Amino acid sequence: AQKITQTQPGMFVQEKEAVTLDCTYDTSDPSYGLFWYKQPSSGEMIFLIYQGSYDQQNATEGRYSLNFQKARKSANLVISASQLGDSAMYFCAMREENRDDKIIFGKGTRLHILP
Amino acid sequence: GAGVSQSPSNKVTEKGKDVELRCDPISGHTALYWYRQSLGQGLEFLIYFQGNSAPDKSGLPSDRFSAERTGGSVSTLTIQRTQQEDSAVYLCASSLDRLSYEQYFGPGTRLTVT
Repeated sequence: AQKITQTQPGMFVQEKEAVTLDCTYDTSDPSYGLFWYKQPSSGEMIFLIYQGSYDQQNATEGRYSLNFQKARKSANLVISASQLGDSAMYFCAMREENRDDKIIFGKGTRLHILP
Repeated sequence: GAGVSQSPSNKVTEKGKDVELRCDPISGHTALYWYRQSLGQGLEFLIYFQGNSAPDKSGLPSDRFSAERTGGSVSTLTIQRTQQEDSAVYLCASSLDRLSYEQYFGPGTRLTVT
């Protein structure tokens, strides 16, 4: 079974709209962390946001927020007021802290922001 | 300060040859990760170092792959007897320690096996 599932291979969103990128995960480890990374066409991986499994509040970083629903094993990324520069691949990832910190990435969602 | 650097940036090699990829993490970062990204795919975890030791080598695709880290700094990923399916971008990342959640990625090495 896939540990990280990103069901949207591609999305098109109008500039200035909010966008939600889906991510579900599968783990039996009670202690884990969830990440989102952005990969523009230039190829570099850019860390966006982190959510720990014991964090009570949803993580936020500027225009990025993580909608963490633990019971549903869901960690969706929300980007508010999208910009043209948000066009990129977005990867969800998980680290299981009782499994030697191995980090598993999803297959990614390619986001296109339309002017 | 300087970020994570990787060399070479591009490597073209013939099938059957050995290659060595280098990663220089951010100074002071004790955790170092290697990933592989095939064209249009997500990242595949290969190996993780805390200091010089690698607690989990299960991500290495075959025994042709090996990695080492010396002095708690530079790491090399070696692929012996390269195959065409080894063609990918190899990414290295470092973080302050194993508890830090923010990884800083290098620009990657694009390996092409002909």
